[in-house]
Amino acid sequence: AQSVTQPDIHITVSEGASLELRCNYSYGATPYLFWYVQSPGQGLQLLLKYFSGDTLVQGIKGFEAEFKRSQSSFNLRKPSVHWSDAAEYFCAVVAPGSARQLTFGSGTQLTVLP
Amino acid sequence: DSGVTQTPKHLITATGQRVTLRCSPRSGDLSVYWYQQSLDQGLQFLIHYYNGEERAKGNILERFSAQQFPDLHSELNLSSLELGDSALYFCASSPSGDSREQYFGPGTRLTVT
Repeated sequence: AQSVTQPDIHITVSEGASLELRCNYSYGATPYLFWYVQSPGQGLQLLLKYFSGDTLVQGIKGFEAEFKRSQSSFNLRKPSVHWSDAAEYFCAVVAPGSARQLTFGSGTQLTVLP
Repeated sequence: DSGVTQTPKHLITATGQRVTLRCSPRSGDLSVYWYQQSLDQGLQFLIHYYNGEERAKGNILERFSAQQFPDLHSELNLSSLELGDSALYFCASSPSGDSREQYFGPGTRLTVT
């Protein structure tokens, strides 16, 4: 079945440490890929996106993500986490041939320790 | 600020009631998408309208309906409300029916008591 999976429900890192959030998808063809962030009580903010081309994409707030076709993955990374990065992170896809609606993963809650 | 507005911000109502959520897309955007975020179902696509016409339906209950008006704002109508309808409802807009990016509003938090 077509799906997008975020295997980590909750991740805790110390401020200044590096971060990697995992995302895997299961589609016949490569979907369009997105990472969104949701701060408490807030809406969804787009961090970065991948449609085609260079497999390492840069986003806002110092985030980057790498598309790996062989692993059907689109993992989000940040070299040094700040306390303000504490939030919930969602990987999302637009499936090939779809009407452009987003399908979201279940989210990863990030806690940042001082 | 994405430019997408949603009203009201919060809504508290009783079971069996009907409510209307409103969304104004970014200036010039023709597509509106509605999503529901609940604790048990996560973020789910409900429905997509493009320039007044329904484009796609997702996991939208029959008690729910939506429309997009000539000025491109959209309304999501929820009727015969149940406790399980308590959720955050987002709308998103995009320039066309085929756009790859969507811009999200701040959401309407619905609490059904």
